[in-house]
Amino acid sequence: LAKTTQPISMDSYEGQEVNITCSHNNIATNDYITWYQQFPSQGPRFIIQGYKTKVTNEVASLFIPADRKSSTLSLPRVSLSDTAVYYCLVGLISSGSARQLTFGSGTQLTVLP
Amino acid sequence: DAGVIQSPRHEVTEMGQEVTLRCKPISGHNSLFWYRQTMMRGLELLIYFNNNVPIDDSGMPEDRFSAKMPNASFSTLKIQPSEPRDSAVYFCASSPPGARRTDTQYFGPGTRLTVL
Repeated sequence: LAKTTQPISMDSYEGQEVNITCSHNNIATNDYITWYQQFPSQGPRFIIQGYKTKVTNEVASLFIPADRKSSTLSLPRVSLSDTAVYYCLVGLISSGSARQLTFGSGTQLTVLP
Repeated sequence: DAGVIQSPRHEVTEMGQEVTLRCKPISGHNSLFWYRQTMMRGLELLIYFNNNVPIDDSGMPEDRFSAKMPNASFSTLKIQPSEPRDSAVYFCASSPPGARRTDTQYFGPGTRLTVL
């Protein structure tokens, strides 16, 4: 089971870059790494996904080292509206199984003015 | 697109009562997930349906919990009898056909269940 570990909380200031790291030592060969964002009273929302190396989209970057035992979500120039809980998810969905989808404990990011 | 619809949004019940949570996935999606979120245990996958068939129910806590998906547009999660430790936010999520990764889960707003 690909258990994940994240810092419980992080504080940052507006305009700074924030990096949140997730450890997943037992990740399986076919597992993908996905990050979700969750605001209070809402369901999680997809941010970014990767398998290896680096992935970048309009809101974030995801860095995955060669051994894939960890991943780092990078949020450039955060704003107050980025205050949320960020989850790291490791697993794979197929028609045969939900391959032990495992959400981390989440990291509460607080962006200060 | 209405997104994933869950009802009720809030439910308060007494211990021992039956509770039924409902979910309408996004039209055209063929995978459906039920999750439970608590402060102590975080976000846990309870059960996964594909084409209305339960594929992975290893996360269902015990026999008091049951889930059904009678058709592609409706699913229920039932707790009978309910206990105070079942108090949590229950999320439903759906994914489109061909999803082989984890990025395509669309979550509903959740049902906050309180068992007194």
